[in-house]
Amino acid sequence: EAQVTQNPRYLITVTGKKLTVTCSQNMNHEYMSWYRQDPGLGLRQIYYSMNVEVTDKGDVPEGYKVSRKEKRNFPLILESPSPNQTSLYFCASSRGDSPLHFGNGTRLTVT
Amino acid sequence: QKEVEQNSGPLSVPEGAIASLNCTYSDRGSQSFFWYRQYSGKSPELIMSIYSNGDKEDGRFTAQLNKASQYVSLLIRDSQPSDSATYLCAVKSSGANNLFFGTGTRLTVIP
Repeated sequence: EAQVTQNPRYLITVTGKKLTVTCSQNMNHEYMSWYRQDPGLGLRQIYYSMNVEVTDKGDVPEGYKVSRKEKRNFPLILESPSPNQTSLYFCASSRGDSPLHFGNGTRLTVT
Repeated sequence: QKEVEQNSGPLSVPEGAIASLNCTYSDRGSQSFFWYRQYSGKSPELIMSIYSNGDKEDGRFTAQLNKASQYVSLLIRDSQPSDSATYLCAVKSSGANNLFFGTGTRLTVIP
């Protein structure tokens, strides 16, 4: 089954404790992207990747890192999480002009 | 000016009525247009994609694109309570890396 898999689905952590949210897709898509979604603000892009070893900042990259060492994986790293990073996070992938396929989301709470 | 604008709603329609959702975009070079439906706490799911001027129908859904006026709309005929969700408009420019999302319109279908 074609899908984008994010883990974990829920995560509660404390300020400053490094964490990684994994994202993997099995559709051989070149393009992958991370979004955060907050009430009233819609989907805001954090980082995206056009292909292996090619990443670029989105609208809200501060406090986040990403890497794209393999085509299928695009992890999101929070080196020192803060409470303002509490949000619902989505990973997505696509090829060319085809629609984005979204993962199921990760709800992160930073206390 | 935001790239993609939607009325945040909420939009309420009675069951069986036609729901009309509208979206305007700023980049005249935009080529690909998508409507996603998102239930609360869930990931966006693709409803319709449209790439050329005119109407595109899929079951109870019709997407309408007018590039000259820079708007895209989604009509939902015979609205059902299960259609109650937030509808996201997304636009991609030709040659651009990213998909720009509106903040979404919340639709409530009243039984």
